[in-house]
Amino acid sequence: NAGVTQTPKFQVLKTGQSMTLQCAQDMNHEYMSWYRQDPGMGLRLIHYSVGAGITDQGEVPNGYNVSRSTTEDFPLRLLSAAPSQTSVYFCASSYSGQVGDEQYFGPGTRLTVT
Amino acid sequence: KQEVTQIPAALSVPEGENLVLNCSFTDSAIYNLQWFRQDPGKGLTSLLLIQSSQREQTSGRLNASLDKSSGRSTLYIAASQPGDSATYLCAVRSNDYKLSFGAGTTVTVRA
Repeated sequence: NAGVTQTPKFQVLKTGQSMTLQCAQDMNHEYMSWYRQDPGMGLRLIHYSVGAGITDQGEVPNGYNVSRSTTEDFPLRLLSAAPSQTSVYFCASSYSGQVGDEQYFGPGTRLTVT
Repeated sequence: KQEVTQIPAALSVPEGENLVLNCSFTDSAIYNLQWFRQDPGKGLTSLLLIQSSQREQTSGRLNASLDKSSGRSTLYIAASQPGDSATYLCAVRSNDYKLSFGAGTTVTVRA
């Protein structure tokens, strides 16, 4: 199993540009989520999905869109990039959102918005 | 809203010393608590998962305890090695299945 994969690993955007961060998992996990990690703040939940066709907002959803058309893929879209979105983005998955599951994380995408 | 705090923010110890990392959370109504390790520029690796009904969990040199009523968890790493140098993150899963993370403790083990 490849686990959770993310592309790209690094990205530089100009303010106002849009892009999609890709996330895929091959473990047949139902639950997938996106986090951003900023220095001194821990990881904060952006959006999550409990299964194909179902998504919901997390703690910091503004400026981001998600969709979940398949179990394997959960892309994160930045609609109009802003410098405040400079961060490291992590995708995670687990078998379900229920008691006893373990979260598996991808390697991250380091995004800089100038 | 669940708040997770990790103290200290950084820790430096000589090789062989035992490590004690603390995590506290504000809402005791949790499903589980997970400890992660993060190496610089890398993703998160799960170390231990403690169910809300458990008091502790062990894996090799690692032992994590959970006291739900007081909102605390402690990660013990016995006989530290330079390879244990990393940032350790605590994450709490609440009733709505969302994970709340602490900011982490950065550990340096000196050879």
